[in-house]
Amino acid sequence: EVQLVESGGGLVHPGGSLRLSCAASGFTFSSYWMHWVRQAPGKGLVWVSRINSDGTSTTYADPVKGRVTISRDNAKNTLYLQMNSLRAEDTAVYYCVRGKQVDYWGQGTLVTVSS
Amino acid sequence: QSALTQPASVSGSLGQSITVSCAGTSSDVGGHNYVSWYQHHPGKAPKLIISDVSNRPSGVSNRFSGSKSANTASLTISGLQAEDEADYYCSSYTSSSTLVFGGGTKLTVL
Repeated sequence: EVQLVESGGGLVHPGGSLRLSCAASGFTFSSYWMHWVRQAPGKGLVWVSRINSDGTSTTYADPVKGRVTISRDNAKNTLYLQMNSLRAEDTAVYYCVRGKQVDYWGQGTLVTVSS
Repeated sequence: QSALTQPASVSGSLGQSITVSCAGTSSDVGGHNYVSWYQHHPGKAPKLIISDVSNRPSGVSNRFSGSKSANTASLTISGLQAEDEADYYCSSYTSSSTLVFGGGTKLTVL
């Protein structure tokens, strides 16, 4: 069974940093692209970033470019999202999502940016 | 990258059919067949219900179907059931290899 479990969310002050993790199991993690998608309170889904299977290629949405870094450790079956210079508008549930087909989603981890 | 355009809400009676549209451009929806649809019950993980415009993943009811014409994709749900009440999102890859979602459509089953 495919499982994606996000962690690392919490309350952070504006300008602060946070690293999200996503533990993957039930599939060959190193064979799949991975994405981060977020959903602000009361809003829709918004794509944040993606990384290819071996970590050599990454892409970012314009609102987070330069502040966020996606990475992965295929030996640990774990995806990461390092978020810096956080803003109030980054407040959202962050989902880890599998593959080019964007097929399996985790339950999400809530990031709240507030003073 | 602008979000794909979906109606904010649709409604239908039990047993009826509804269609949700997803309008994009030739740089996303119209440029290839990597269009997907997701069902999202608040508080739960979104669920893929249609991939590659019209493919249903294993285990997804055949009451869900997808199609595309030019720059607009569509999701049709037939034989509406109470449990279909949820938010529905479309997504598409873009010509710059980013991913874009629609704004979401809230389905109310009357």
